[in-house]
Amino acid sequence: GAVVSQHPSWVICKSGTSVKIECRSLDFQATTMFWYRQFPKQSLMLMATSNEGSKATYEQGVEKDKFLINHASLTLSTLTVTSAHPEDSSFYICSAWLAAYNEQFFGPGTRLTVL
Amino acid sequence: GNSVTQMEGPVTLSEEAFLTINCTYTATGYPSLFWYVQYPGEGLQLLLKATKADDKGSNKGFEATYRKETTSFHLEKGSVQVSDSAVYFCALSGGGAQKLVFGQGTRLTINP
Repeated sequence: GAVVSQHPSWVICKSGTSVKIECRSLDFQATTMFWYRQFPKQSLMLMATSNEGSKATYEQGVEKDKFLINHASLTLSTLTVTSAHPEDSSFYICSAWLAAYNEQFFGPGTRLTVL
Repeated sequence: GNSVTQMEGPVTLSEEAFLTINCTYTATGYPSLFWYVQYPGEGLQLLLKATKADDKGSNKGFEATYRKETTSFHLEKGSVQVSDSAVYFCALSGGGAQKLVFGQGTRLTINP
């Protein structure tokens, strides 16, 4: 099957620092990847659509200068949380679109805790 | 905009019980509908989907029928197993876009 990995699986950082999360499609190429945020006991909220070689498309209310997305290759998208604050603590999940299956494949998620 | 409303959890059942998790949606046009499952410590996996009205998606004994008249896509299974314990998400994708809109998720626990 199509496998998507995320790294790290969890991270703790100090307030004011930046954190980078990687999302990789391991056995397929993905021109489109998605980044979601999930609060405890709540649903996944789409943050942005990441397109290889072009700028990400952010959902309404998501600060593009705070959540930097780079999709530099067909197998890697990164999400950088800049100047993180405790309210950025959350579970971040990525997915990669596999056109042949017409389906998104999800990574296992990254838990970010900002102290 | 598009939205999905799921049955509140958590849901606890005994093994071999019948399962229904309700899901209704609001969308313009003709969305595709999905059920995803998230097992502990794992990423979301597609469980089943339906792309047009009256379609029935099925997988691993689970099934759901796309009901346009009631804007629903309820998940059912006739006899649940302990291994079905997970969080289940209903979702839709509409207008030709690949973007998914998720319901709030329902945590299911099956006791032996």
